[in-house]
This record gives sequence, structure tokens and C-alpha cells, in this order.
Amino acid sequence: DTAVSQTPKYLVTQMGNDKSIKCEQNLGHDTMYWYKQDSKKFLKIMFSYNNKELIINETVPNRFSPKSPDKAHLNLHINSLELGDSAVYFCASSQDRVLSGNTIYFGEGSWLTVV
Amino acid sequence: RKEVEQDPGPFNVPEGATVAFNCTYSNSASQSFFWYRQDCRKEPKLLMSVYSSGNEDGRFTAQLNRASQYISLLIRDSKLSDSATYLCVVNFGSGTYKYIFGTGTRLKVLA
Repeated sequence: DTAVSQTPKYLVTQMGNDKSIKCEQNLGHDTMYWYKQDSKKFLKIMFSYNNKELIINETVPNRFSPKSPDKAHLNLHINSLELGDSAVYFCASSQDRVLSGNTIYFGEGSWLTVV
Repeated sequence: RKEVEQDPGPFNVPEGATVAFNCTYSNSASQSFFWYRQDCRKEPKLLMSVYSSGNEDGRFTAQLNRASQYISLLIRDSKLSDSATYLCVVNFGSGTYKYIFGTGTRLKVLA
């Protein structure tokens, strides 16, 4: 009964490959996020969707493309992987707008290593 | 100035000590504030929200100072299990979905 689940948990792949990370939340939340945590442990927002609509798109290379088929799912596809993409990618969700001070719930993270 | 700034530490304290962390934020229109805890190789988890009047949850006390644009976390009677990284989280601007995380303050409680 995991609230926010993401797969795979570990992914090792070669430069130039294309990979996807899937995320699902069963909390009934309207908003989902992708965060990247690099080797310096800095957690930075990449994308946010609200009811399948993209609402935040930070300065992220075009090689990263999120897709939200429904409000419970937010997948991340990465094309032409580079060494610098190695990081932990966290999926997260929250009920609705930040105005309500809603808590963000995180998945367990996907450890991506590009070799 | 960074949007959210924290002292990375580590703070090494003995069991039973009281320790305090501060976090400064740059956007005066920010509305929501939180402290998250992240254990090694785990996801961040909410420790507590921070309310304007300050709030307490057991050994943990959070304060907000809007005038100086900082929030604080006080941990009393530190336990070994409190060892973790504490992340300050601020919503960036008013009415946005953008939660900005600080780089975290690492705490080590020593036996």
C-alpha cells in the first residue's frame, strides 16, 4: 500500500541510451512532481503536473520529457543519457495548491547511474 | 542570494543535547514553510510544518521569522535516531506549486 511508488529503484545504463522512470501515487492527489537530487544532495524540482497539466517546467534539457496519462501517474523519459544525468530522481505528490500548505509525499527514489 | 539557504553542517552533538538549525529564504512572498528529514539513501519525509505563531511537536520546535526571512528548528534531548539531514522547504512565491528545498543540514548525534 505504498503511497508514491516509482520504478525502477536502481538503473545502470550506458551513455546515449534512452530510459524511463515510472511513478504512481494512490493518495488521490492532484499534483505530482519530479525532483532530481545530485551528488551534492541538492534536491531540485524539474517538473510539476496538476491534473495532467504541466504547471512547472524548470530549466531542464529537452532530453527530459515528462508524461502524465492521468493524475495518478507521472512518468519521466530521458533521451540520450549523459554522465551528468547520474542522480537520484524522486517522484512526489501533494493534494493541491501550495496555498493550502499541503505536504509533499515522496517516492523512494530511482538511483540512475550513467556509465 | 540563494532561494533557500542552510548551513550544511555537519552538526555533531552528544545525546541529550539541544541543537538548533536556521534556514533563510529570499522571497518575501513565500507562504508555506516546512522541515523535512532525509535519512541516508532514503526519500525526504515531512518532519513538521512551520506556522506563523511557531509550533511544537514533542522534542521539536519550529519558528518562523518573516521580518528576517528565516525559519528555525530546535531539537531538544537529541537521540541517536535524530541523526539525519534536515531539509528546509519553502514555497517560492505566493500561490505557486513550487517547493524549494534547501541543501540540508546534516546532524550527527553521538553516543
